[in-house]
Amino acid sequence: GAVVSQHPSWVICKSGTSVKIECRSLDFQATTMFWYRQFPKQSLMLMATSNEGSKATYEQGVEKDKFLINHASLTLSTLTVTSAHPEDSSFYICSVTDSGTGYSDTQYFGPGTRLTVL
Amino acid sequence: AQKVTQAQTEISVVEKEDVTLDCVYETRDTTYYLFWYKQPPSGELVFLIRRNSFDEQNEISGRYSWNFQKSTSSFNFTITASQVVDSAVYFCALSENDYKLSFGAGTTVTVRA
Repeated sequence: GAVVSQHPSWVICKSGTSVKIECRSLDFQATTMFWYRQFPKQSLMLMATSNEGSKATYEQGVEKDKFLINHASLTLSTLTVTSAHPEDSSFYICSVTDSGTGYSDTQYFGPGTRLTVL
Repeated sequence: AQKVTQAQTEISVVEKEDVTLDCVYETRDTTYYLFWYKQPPSGELVFLIRRNSFDEQNEISGRYSWNFQKSTSSFNFTITASQVVDSAVYFCALSENDYKLSFGAGTTVTVRA
């Protein structure tokens, strides 16, 4: 399967600041990436679908102006949590698919980023 | 409506016991994919298996086996001779035509030595 990295693995920030999380596909070109959020002891909730070179598609209830997604290249997508508040504290996970191989329906996940907003 | 139901919240077994995780899904699509992922305490989701809706063959991979039954919309997962390293949260997921993954709530498996 694909190898996906995320940076940072954890971050602590003050309320009101912005935090950028990077998701990288290390061994193939990812035309599509997904961003998920997972609260403690809960399942993963899809936040948005990121397509290289176009605007991200956000799920219902996810504020696109708060969670900025940029997919500028086939190997990198970034999620910026703007003006973070304590309720944004969560585990953020990205995943990638590669439409070109025919296995676009398999998502491979990054190790996740734990965000704590004080 | 919940598309994927994992009725078991937690399962605790003693090492070497078998454990079966239930997964029931709901979809109107004729083409869909089912997955199982493992999330150990470290947090990273590990892909275990993908099954498409046209392939009802059961599959075995080492100590893992999967039973897919379209008639009951179930895709159950069995760990044979469980080991402590199997302790994790296991998620069943459904992907329909738009390839978004709908996850079940997850089942926490604890294997005691």
